[in-house]
Amino acid sequence: DADVTQTPRNRITKTGKRIMLECSQTKGHDRMYWYRQDPGLGLRLIYYSFDVKDINKGEISDGYSVSRQAQAKFSLSLESAIPNQTALYFCATSDSDRGFTDTQYFGPGTRLTVL
Amino acid sequence: RKEVEQDPGPFNVPEGATVAFNCTYSNSASQSFFWYRQDCRKEPKLLMSVYSSGNEDGRFTAQLNRASQYISLLIRDSKLSDSATYLCVVNPVSGGYNKLIFGAGTRLAVHP
Repeated sequence: DADVTQTPRNRITKTGKRIMLECSQTKGHDRMYWYRQDPGLGLRLIYYSFDVKDINKGEISDGYSVSRQAQAKFSLSLESAIPNQTALYFCATSDSDRGFTDTQYFGPGTRLTVL
Repeated sequence: RKEVEQDPGPFNVPEGATVAFNCTYSNSASQSFFWYRQDCRKEPKLLMSVYSSGNEDGRFTAQLNRASQYISLLIRDSKLSDSATYLCVVNPVSGGYNKLIFGAGTRLAVHP
């Protein structure tokens, strides 16, 4: 079984709808991240969480919110989806014990289309 | 200027060729560097870390040039299975936490 899972894998929705993307991990890592990937751009950090009580904004958090329900679960919400939020969304985890050399482990991604 | 810049490619090479990618970064205080590989429509996966002294993993060699602020990836004896997008990733020193800046990637296509 995959260590980092994301649901749904694909989603098509309409402008104005509320969408939740879910991420679960079995790696036992404290740190979890949400990124989006757009063609021609690198992955950009939306939000990150270093433990259950810690939530931090990334570089592009506007229009998004997150919830860290447990060490293993980190969900991303789009309160009112808009077309420019169409992208590939990745969840990732890393091990806090390794400091700056953390490897990030990515989920398989959620392809979101907002019409 | 982007924090991490890469030539998007694509680099089209025959099997067996040697190919090199470069990546430049803007933050001179950056601490750690990585190459991730991303197959089409898949998640990125760590290929290798890049150390100051350079490092090699089989057919892959990574080099870091701090003075010129670039890192490189050399692939020898290219295989069809090397076809992918290679992401240059930099960990800048910022607030004492692990944040990664991703380049947009360089696409490699290896053909028979």
